[in-house]
Amino acid sequence: GAVVSQHPSWVICKSGTSVKIECRSLDFQATTMFWYRQFPKQSLMLMATSNEGSKATYEQGVEKDKFLINHASLTLSTLTVTSAHPEDSSFYICSATPGPAGEGFYGYTFGSGTRLTVV
Amino acid sequence: AQSVAQPEDQVNVAEGNPLTVKCTYSVSGNPYLFWYVQYPNRGLQFLLKYITGDNLVKGSYGFEAEFNKSQTSFHLKKPSALVSDSALYFCAVRDGAGANNLFFGTGTRLTVIP
Repeated sequence: GAVVSQHPSWVICKSGTSVKIECRSLDFQATTMFWYRQFPKQSLMLMATSNEGSKATYEQGVEKDKFLINHASLTLSTLTVTSAHPEDSSFYICSATPGPAGEGFYGYTFGSGTRLTVV
Repeated sequence: AQSVAQPEDQVNVAEGNPLTVKCTYSVSGNPYLFWYVQYPNRGLQFLLKYITGDNLVKGSYGFEAEFNKSQTSFHLKKPSALVSDSALYFCAVRDGAGANNLFFGTGTRLTVIP
């Protein structure tokens, strides 16, 4: 089945530093990747949608200069949290799809998530 | 605009009893509906989806869901709950006529009591 690998699974960083999270599709080409943020006991909030080779589309209220997304290849997307602050501490999850949801595929495959703690 | 409602934050059920986790949706086009399960500090695991076809969808781990267009519902069900089913369940929808991102409900925490 489709597999998405997300690394690291957890990271602790100092306030003011930057952190990069990787999301890789291991056995399919991910035309589109999504980045979500999940606060404790809350749902997943879409941060941005990225298509390979083009700029990411950010949801309203998400700072594009703070959350840098790069989707340079069909198997890799990265989220960089720049100048991290304690309020950026959260669980970040990526998702990938080869294209529009359709028959014969599970539609969207999720990474295992990254727990970011900024101290 | 698309939306998903999971009216119950918490569902408790005894082991061996049937379980239902409720979900209703709103989209402007044809709905693509999904159920995912999340264990602590983990990503989402796919359970099942409805795109088209039979209204009763069977998925992983014995779960099933019924698409009801008139009630705009997609409730998740299982005939006999296991303690290992205890987790956080998310219903999600994509508007078939819109962007290809998923919109999630707020989640329902299922606790199966031994």
